[in-house]
Amino acid sequence: ETGVTQTPRHLVMGMTNKKSLKCEQHLGHNAMYWYKQSAKKPLELMFVYSLEERVENNSVPSRFSPECPNSSHLFLHLHTLQPEDSALYLCASSQASGTGGSPLHFGNGTRLTVT
Amino acid sequence: GQNIDQPTEMTATEGAIVQINCTYQTSGFNGLFWYQQHAGEAPTFLSYNVLDGLEEKGRFSSFLSRSKGYSYLLLKELQMKDSASYLCAVTDSNYQLIWGAGTKLIIKP
Repeated sequence: ETGVTQTPRHLVMGMTNKKSLKCEQHLGHNAMYWYKQSAKKPLELMFVYSLEERVENNSVPSRFSPECPNSSHLFLHLHTLQPEDSALYLCASSQASGTGGSPLHFGNGTRLTVT
Repeated sequence: GQNIDQPTEMTATEGAIVQINCTYQTSGFNGLFWYQQHAGEAPTFLSYNVLDGLEEKGRFSSFLSRSKGYSYLLLKELQMKDSASYLCAVTDSNYQLIWGAGTKLIIKP
């Protein structure tokens, strides 16, 4: 496999459920990201990991909890979500974070619906 | 605040040329990216500009003017498969990526 793989592609969960999103990159990159994409809005950066250490947390509610066990894997643990959290969640990786020209490679995303 | 502006939606005809504009106001500048995103799929990298001028890659070209805070993506010989959203993003002085909301391009036969 190559690229960035996200599972599941679709997820429907109730507000009291606990679920996790998984991301795996096969590109040998050192940085991984979680983004939230809502219709007609700019991508919102949620978390950045560089060499498995969290380097950014953009005031994301604690009901979202990231985990990066190694440089190839990234998880987003979800619990007690709200309906407004329904969105497309994108994982991305790059050669390095904090550099100018390193493009992001995205996964196909998880379409999350909170009921 | 930091801001990226691009049109919400554009329509063009197969075989024609279309220009998608992006203007930005950011705290510093360390490069500008264009990404393509087909519905239900991942954004994919198209181009990166850090110096003024035009960068050409096949049917796609990207232009940057740093003094005007302006870029455009030019798509030639449009094909139906070019129907997608096009995202503009700028790296600021802290190397943070600032994203536009994207331009949905509709190609008609």
